Amino acid sequence: GAVVSQHPSRVICKSGTSVKIECRSLDFQATTMFWYRQFPKQSLMLMATSNEGSKATYEQGVEKDKFLINHASLTLSTLTVTSAHPEDSSFYICSGGGDYGYTFGSGTRLTVV
Amino acid sequence: AQSVTQLDSQVPVFEEAPVELRCNYSSSVSVYLFWYVQYPNQGLQLLLKYLSGSTLVKGINGFEAEFNKSQTSFHLRKPSVHISDTAEYFCAVTNGGGNTGFQKLVFGTGTRLLVSP
Repeated sequence: GAVVSQHPSRVICKSGTSVKIECRSLDFQATTMFWYRQFPKQSLMLMATSNEGSKATYEQGVEKDKFLINHASLTLSTLTVTSAHPEDSSFYICSGGGDYGYTFGSGTRLTVV
Repeated sequence: AQSVTQLDSQVPVFEEAPVELRCNYSSSVSVYLFWYVQYPNQGLQLLLKYLSGSTLVKGINGFEAEFNKSQTSFHLRKPSVHISDTAEYFCAVTNGGGNTGFQKLVFGTGTRLLVSP
């Protein structure tokens, strides 16, 4: 079946630094990648949608300069949290849309200290 | 705009008992419906989906759901639960039919299923 490999699974960074999260679709081409954020015991909040080779579309209230999304190929999408602050600590999940429907990565737990 | 309501934030149940997790949606267009399961610190795994056709959908791990258009519901059921079914369950909806490309999924707030011995 379809797999989206998401790395890292956990990351701790210092306030003010940037962190890059990577999602690779291993056996399918993800024409669309969705990036979600999930707070403890809450649902998934869509942050942005990206299509390969074009700029991401951000949801209302999501800072595009803070959460940089790159979808350079059909198998790779990255989310960079720039100048991270403690309030950016959260669980980030990507989801690739392709021949197998929506396939989710295993998530990245970001802790900013 | 679409929305999903999962009325029960938590459902406690004993092992081998039946369970139903409720999901209601709101949409002005035709929909595709999904149920996902999430274990702690993991991504989402698809349990089942309704795209078209038979309103009774069977999924993995013995789960099934029934699409009821008149009641705008897509409740998830399992006749006999196991301890290992303890997890968070999310219902999701997206635009169905005639769309090109992938539309975003709108998720409910989730239902925590707690199975005890």
